[in-house]
Amino acid sequence: EAQVTQNPRYLITVTGKKLTVTCSQNMNHEYMSWYRQDPGLGLRQIYYSMNVEVTDKGDVPEGYKVSRKEKRNFPLILESPSPNQTSLYFCASKTSNYGYTFGSGTRLTVV
Amino acid sequence: AQSVTQPDIHITVSEGASLELRCNYSYGATPYLFWYVQSPGQGLQLLLKYFSGDTLVQGIKGFEAEFKRSQSSFNLRKPSVHWSDAAEYFCAVGGYGGATNKLIFGTGTLLAVQP
Repeated sequence: EAQVTQNPRYLITVTGKKLTVTCSQNMNHEYMSWYRQDPGLGLRQIYYSMNVEVTDKGDVPEGYKVSRKEKRNFPLILESPSPNQTSLYFCASKTSNYGYTFGSGTRLTVV
Repeated sequence: AQSVTQPDIHITVSEGASLELRCNYSYGATPYLFWYVQSPGQGLQLLLKYFSGDTLVQGIKGFEAEFKRSQSSFNLRKPSVHWSDAAEYFCAVGGYGGATNKLIFGTGTLLAVQP
């Protein structure tokens, strides 16, 4: 089944403790992206990747890092999480016919 | 600037009534337009998309949307709402290639359905 898999689904962590949210797709898509969703703000792009080793900032990249060492994986890294990064995070990959497949989301709480 | 506006934050309709959710966009190039639905605690599901051609687009779950270039709008409609349609709906616009692969989302419209 074609899908984007994110882990974990839920995460509660403390300020400053590094964490990684994983994202993997099995569709051989080149383009992948991370979004965060906040009430009243919709979804905003954090980072995107056009292909392996090609990444760039989206609209709200501060406090985040990404890597793209292989096509299927696109992890989101929070080196020193802060409470303002409490949010719902979605990974997405872009299909050849310009559709997007989204993961199920990761709800992160930073206390 | 590229943007999507969903002017209605919250809408309540009665079950069986018709529904129209508004979406206006600002985009410099030919837009690709999408509607997504998010049920409580769930991810995003694509309802429909418009790339070109017929400006009336049919989607899943009985939804349709009409692209009106002159009004920069892409409103979502359903003739008869079911209780299971209660969810949050997002309109999005994107381009093609490079950084324009980015989807720009509206802030969402929360739909409540009264019995």
